[in-house]
Parts: sequence; C-alpha cells; structure tokens
Amino acid sequence: QQQVKQSPQSLIVQKGGISIINCAYENTAFDYFPWYQQFPGKGPALLIAIRPDVSEKKEGRFTISFNKSAKQFSLHIMDSQPGDSATYFCAASSRNNDMRFGAGTRLTVKP
Amino acid sequence: NAGVTQTPKFQVLKTGQSMTLQCAQDMNHNSMYWYRQDPGMGLRLIYYSASEGTTDKGEVPNGYNVSRLNKREFSLRLESAAPSQTSVYFCASSEEALVYEQYFGPGTRLTVT
Repeated sequence: QQQVKQSPQSLIVQKGGISIINCAYENTAFDYFPWYQQFPGKGPALLIAIRPDVSEKKEGRFTISFNKSAKQFSLHIMDSQPGDSATYFCAASSRNNDMRFGAGTRLTVKP
Repeated sequence: NAGVTQTPKFQVLKTGQSMTLQCAQDMNHNSMYWYRQDPGMGLRLIYYSASEGTTDKGEVPNGYNVSRLNKREFSLRLESAAPSQTSVYFCASSEEALVYEQYFGPGTRLTVT
C-alpha cells in the first residue's frame, strides 16, 4: 500500500493561475516532507521541504502548507508559468534512510 | 562537479540476462540510494547504503543486488532480468543526516523483453 497518497494525477492551469497539489501520509514517524520536481528525461530535483513542526514554508512562488493533525500537506504554485510544466512528487522521509514518494502529478501550464 | 552520474542511459535485455547499473557521485555523500520509477507509482526505493560498506533493503528489493564499491560508487545488479523489471532506474545520494535532500542522477531506462 502506498504510504503517501497524492492527488490529482494531472493538472492543467492557465498561465498566471494557482496550481495546487495535495498529499496525505499515514506514518507518523516521517520527519521531513519534501517536494520534488521532474522534467522529462531528467532525474527529480528537490524543490522545497518542510518539517512537521512548521505549518507553512514559502520559497518564491512555491509554498508548502502542512496540517499535522490531518496528516496532509500541499504544494501551491502561485503565478504558474509554462516553465513550471513538469511532474511533481511529494515525499515523506524518516531518519532511517526511508523516503516514500507519492505517485506524482503531471502539471501543464498553458500560455 | 558532475553530481550523480549513471551508466548506461538505455539498455534492452532479454529475459534471464544479467546486467549491472553503475552509479557514482562526487559530492562526498555518505548515503546512496537506488530507486525504480514506474508510471502511476512514483519512485520506490530498492536498496540504500547509509555509508561505505553497508547496504540495506528498501521497499522493493526482490530480484536485485547492490554493491557499495567505495564512498563514490554504488552499483545495482539484476542477476536474471524479468519483464516486470522494465522501468526507469534512478540513483541518488545525500548527506547522512539529510535523507529528504537527495540528489538524483539522470536515470537508466531499462527494457526487458
């Protein structure tokens, strides 16, 4: 069973709009929640990450919102641009070298 | 500074053949990982190595073996390839205490016929 559930599978947003991707986890032993961005033919790259004792983290146009009681977290991309078109993966990691990924969201930003 | 490199980029195998995927990193990281990526399933951890000389099973280790040759290199071996092992394989590395911050290689696309 997948320990990190991600939705939606795909998302189409107009340029300038807000992209929102949601994730939920089960294991309370996870201690960091990163988001990775992957372009076609490339390996994933870390975009932004949050600790569970923080409710929100913002880096430029990218914001993670974290709800510890609901075991949910989300990525918001403000002012989405065509260059943001990629596949986004949420993940949850623990100190024993275990990182579990969501299934991924393919984002398309239309010009 | 090349980061994480993987060879080969593409490979086609027949069922039952064996092969080794190579990975090297130049960031002086202690921890290295092997993942497979399949459509609709995200990335799943096959094996990891927390430090030189140690390896441990991840989520989907069956059918694979690994070797941590030295601090820089971590190889993945398929002894008898099966069609179910058709996938894109990624190697990654991280500092020991920063598991969430992994640096990925460009991947190897493997097809088993």
